[in-house]
Amino acid sequence: EAGVTQFPSHSVIEKGQTVTLRCDPISGHDNLYWYRRVMGKEIKFLLHFVKESKQDESGMPNNRFLAERTGGTYSTLKVQPAELEDSGVYFCASSQALPGGDEQFFGPGTRLTVL
Amino acid sequence: QKEVEQDPGPLSVPEGAIVSLNCTYSNSAFQYFMWYRQYSRKGPELLMYTYSSGNKEDGRFTAQVDKSSKYISLFIRDSQPSDSATYLCAMSVGSYQKVTFGTGTKLQVIP
Repeated sequence: EAGVTQFPSHSVIEKGQTVTLRCDPISGHDNLYWYRRVMGKEIKFLLHFVKESKQDESGMPNNRFLAERTGGTYSTLKVQPAELEDSGVYFCASSQALPGGDEQFFGPGTRLTVL
Repeated sequence: QKEVEQDPGPLSVPEGAIVSLNCTYSNSAFQYFMWYRQYSRKGPELLMYTYSSGNKEDGRFTAQVDKSSKYISLFIRDSQPSDSATYLCAMSVGSYQKVTFGTGTKLQVIP
């Protein structure tokens, strides 16, 4: 079974440009999460989809970040315009809806560098 | 104050040693406690997942939760060089909710 995949693995852009990150969750996983780790800090939650609906977007830093999950399958996270402080590793995770709790399976991350 | 505090290390031990990794937390609403292992350039991988106070064992790994002290631990017995990684404690208030991570402890097991 394929795990969570993310594309691209690494992106280098100039300040002010737009970048779109993609996450393909494990097939059948209704829950999809985005997290971010900036240099030297802990991994922090950004938002949570249940199917195509945003369940919790309390971690989104500002309105330059837009997440979508059309059709409840893959998700995209767009940063527009990118700022220097957006540099970091963006992780996507997915989980099944199971009784008793969920295990979040993480992708390898997209390393974003904003110059 | 961070919700979850974890010593970043690095921690270096000889092969075969018992490793103890710890985290403290401040939010008493946390009910689910996890330990993730992360190898370089990879995503976090779930090692242990516990709900209640007490111990949970899985092979060479034992997770311990003390909710009264807001303290969790991960013990690794007979540590191996392949255990060299960053270990992240994590916790959540409920199922299907955001996970709050510690900064991670970098562990190196020397052959």
